[in-house]
Amino acid sequence: DTAVSQTPKYLVTQMGNDKSIKCEQNLGHDTMYWYKQDSKKFLKIMFSYNNKELIINETVPNRFSPKSPDKAHLNLHINSLELGDSAVYFCASSQGTGGNQIHGYTFGSGTRLTVV
Amino acid sequence: AQTVTQSQPEMSVQEAETVTLSCTYDTSESNYYLFWYKQPPSRQMILVIRQEAYKQQNATENRFSVNFQKAAKSFSLKISDSQLGDTAMYFCAFTNNNNDMRFGAGTRLTVKP
Repeated sequence: DTAVSQTPKYLVTQMGNDKSIKCEQNLGHDTMYWYKQDSKKFLKIMFSYNNKELIINETVPNRFSPKSPDKAHLNLHINSLELGDSAVYFCASSQGTGGNQIHGYTFGSGTRLTVV
Repeated sequence: AQTVTQSQPEMSVQEAETVTLSCTYDTSESNYYLFWYKQPPSRQMILVIRQEAYKQQNATENRFSVNFQKAAKSFSLKISDSQLGDTAMYFCAFTNNNNDMRFGAGTRLTVKP
């Protein structure tokens, strides 16, 4: 069973479209994240949710909206896609706060988004 | 804000030899956690090794070990007996209690036969 699963793995779409990426974890973790990896491989956090509540919201355009229906799911919806949104988007989860951080994050396999 | 710096964009090593990847970080916290992640061409992020800041003993996982120097804020990764499957991007990462893992820019390691 995949611990953190993202769908789709690849997404090619035209500028101006709206798309969603789904993420689910079956680890019982309390916290989930979205990271963006650009063409230079740099990983930058976008959002973090703890028990369905938004706790980190980095400087990300309003076109990006996360949704967490329950603590096992964190979806990312992107409106009015732009060329610069092309990247790999990673979902991740972690046990929670404090000393549980030693376990690190478990990542999904990533979604390669290409905007044409 | 915490920052993580990896000063080696690319490195290469001969198969069976040893290589060390560098990482430094900046924080005012006393308790935190450090990690090395591997990202092979498959794109999957794989946890290689982790270290708690309050533990002085360096972590070891089979062929992978770290040299953690807390005062110098340095956290290097040593890979012994390098294998072709070690070819990947390696990311150093930092987190504390604030649910926010920060990554370095990565080092692309190539193991040559």
